[in-house]
Amino acid sequence: QKEVEQNSGPLSVPEGAIASLNCTYSDRGSQSFFWYRQYSGKSPELIMSIYSNGDKEDGRFTAQLNKASQYVSLLIRDSQPSDSATYLCAVNSGGGADGLTFGKGTHLIIQP
Amino acid sequence: GAVVSQHPSRVICKSGTSVKIECRSLDFQATTMFWYRQFPKQSLMLMATSNEGSKATYEQGVEKDKFLINHASLTLSTLTVTSAHPEDSSFYICSARGEDSGNEKLFFGSGTQLSVL
Repeated sequence: QKEVEQNSGPLSVPEGAIASLNCTYSDRGSQSFFWYRQYSGKSPELIMSIYSNGDKEDGRFTAQLNKASQYVSLLIRDSQPSDSATYLCAVNSGGGADGLTFGKGTHLIIQP
Repeated sequence: GAVVSQHPSRVICKSGTSVKIECRSLDFQATTMFWYRQFPKQSLMLMATSNEGSKATYEQGVEKDKFLINHASLTLSTLTVTSAHPEDSSFYICSARGEDSGNEKLFFGSGTQLSVL
């Protein structure tokens, strides 16, 4: 059974600070890792993808992957109230045909 | 960017009726479509994977006779919830991917909130 674990939160961060979101996964063969943002009642929106160990930066977002520890994280710098949402970690084991396995998501609240 | 249109966005029905949800890729050919279900404050759970022209592959625990999936063309997949019951009330989301595309090019529909009375 493939599992993706996230702390459900809520995680409360002051505006302007760094928000750190964490995710662990059980399938050591996982190859692709994604962070999605989901607003209540809406469909997920892709924020970041990462495929190899290390950091990947895109604007205010940085994804970090450590395959040895089966751990992936998302950092949001200069947090804005509009970043308040649920962040879903998703993992794919490769092959291209598989659907994603999602974590339950972390509810992030940016306090003005 | 690519667009996936999902309809209806919200449906309320009586117990025992069937509900059809449509998922269309508007500007690309979706060789693979995925159907997810999400209960409140829970994760998206993959229900089934459908490839154009072939039978859908269902995840363990998902009743294929209750959740009928049709992917008859490269731009349309439908999910029919047959004889819906209150426990089927959930948020259903489709996602579509084009040929030779990885999950980075996975596009989600806007979701359908199903409420069964």
